[in-house]
Amino acid sequence: EAQVTQNPRYLITVTGKKLTVTCSQNMNHEYMSWYRQDPGLGLRQIYYSMNVEVTDKGDVPEGYKVSRKEKRNFPLILESPSPNQTSLYFCASSLGGTVNSPLHFGNGTRLTVT
Amino acid sequence: ELKVEQNPLFLSMQEGKNYTIYCNYSTTSDRLYWYRQDPGKSLESLFVLLSNGAVKQEGRLMASLDTKARLSTLHITAAVHDLSATYFCAVVYSGGSNYKLTFGKGTLLTVNP
Repeated sequence: EAQVTQNPRYLITVTGKKLTVTCSQNMNHEYMSWYRQDPGLGLRQIYYSMNVEVTDKGDVPEGYKVSRKEKRNFPLILESPSPNQTSLYFCASSLGGTVNSPLHFGNGTRLTVT
Repeated sequence: ELKVEQNPLFLSMQEGKNYTIYCNYSTTSDRLYWYRQDPGKSLESLFVLLSNGAVKQEGRLMASLDTKARLSTLHITAAVHDLSATYFCAVVYSGGSNYKLTFGKGTLLTVNP
């Protein structure tokens, strides 16, 4: 089944404890992206990648890191999480690097930083 | 910086009525997407609009794109309760060789019996 898989679905952590949210897609998509969703703010892009080893900042990259060493994986790393990073996170992928086809979204990761 | 504005942000409708959601964006783009999100769920793609004048229809929903006006509309015909959800438009911005996708804040649609 074609899908974008995020893990974990729920995560509670403490300020400053490094964490990684994994994202994997099995559709051979070139474009991958991370979003955070906050009430009243919609979805905001954190980072995106148009292909392997190519990543770029979205609108809210501060406090986050990503890497794209393989086509299928695009992990999101929070080196020192803070409470303002409490949010619902979505990973998504698209067939072409130029986003000429719709994004397929993962099921989301709800992160709470205390 | 690309800005995407949706109107209205909240919409309460009666079943059987028609209404339109608007999506305005601030810079040139020829790619726009509409997504639906049910409470507690992920986003589901509804429409892909890739050129000026594009019109797509699926059931009671119809989406259109006017790239000159930088405007897309999502029209709801004879609403039913199952259409209750949050609807997002998303616009692709091409800055040289980079392709960012910016979402509107979403329209929470409630269809009442």
